Amino acid sequence: AQKVTQAQTEISVVEKEDVTLDCVYETRDTTYYLFWYKQPPSGELVFLIRRNSFDEQNEISGRYSWNFQKSTSSFNFTITASQVVDSAVYFCALSGEFTGGGADGLTFGKGTHLIIQP
Amino acid sequence: DVKVTQSSRYLVKRTGEKVFLECVQDMDHENMFWYRQDPGLGLRLIYFSYDVKMKEKGDIPEGYSVSREKKERFSLILESASTNQTSMYLCASQLGRRDRPQHFGDGTRLSIL
Repeated sequence: AQKVTQAQTEISVVEKEDVTLDCVYETRDTTYYLFWYKQPPSGELVFLIRRNSFDEQNEISGRYSWNFQKSTSSFNFTITASQVVDSAVYFCALSGEFTGGGADGLTFGKGTHLIIQP
Repeated sequence: DVKVTQSSRYLVKRTGEKVFLECVQDMDHENMFWYRQDPGLGLRLIYFSYDVKMKEKGDIPEGYSVSREKKERFSLILESASTNQTSMYLCASQLGRRDRPQHFGDGTRLSIL
């Protein structure tokens, strides 16, 4: 069975600090997709990034960066120079096991609640 | 931008009632999903659909059913609501490929009394 583990339930840092959110996954698929979503206090899930299993290039988007390491089954998310607006719950998710159909639900981690204090 | 609209933001129902949660998307996406979100458990997949009138069970389908009569609309049905179905329900849609992101609605916070 698939699994996504976000071991950090809650992280609290002071504004401008760097912070890394950990994500470890388990899957038997050889082709799979990893996602990060942000859920601000208003409740809607906002898509941040997708990574394919065959592409281990790290990605940077402004203050956000992602480190994908297949050898350790990890897909970690770093926010540089954090801001109060980054406060949210962040979810890591894995595409469902391939069943031959055109759709799979996502397997989500339990989320990391990130608190950025001014 | 993809727009996924859930009919109610908050809903209060009584035990034993039949409850309908509605979700509409405006991007002609093939795939639609229903999740529930509970504190400490993250999001869990209830049902999904990859085409009109097609449905697949997710990880926790017990006590729920779904309906997809039109491509843009996906309904979640609680046949006989129970208190353990009090939760936040999230609908999502996706272009018909596994590698595409799912786009979520704002959620319905359902309380069963």
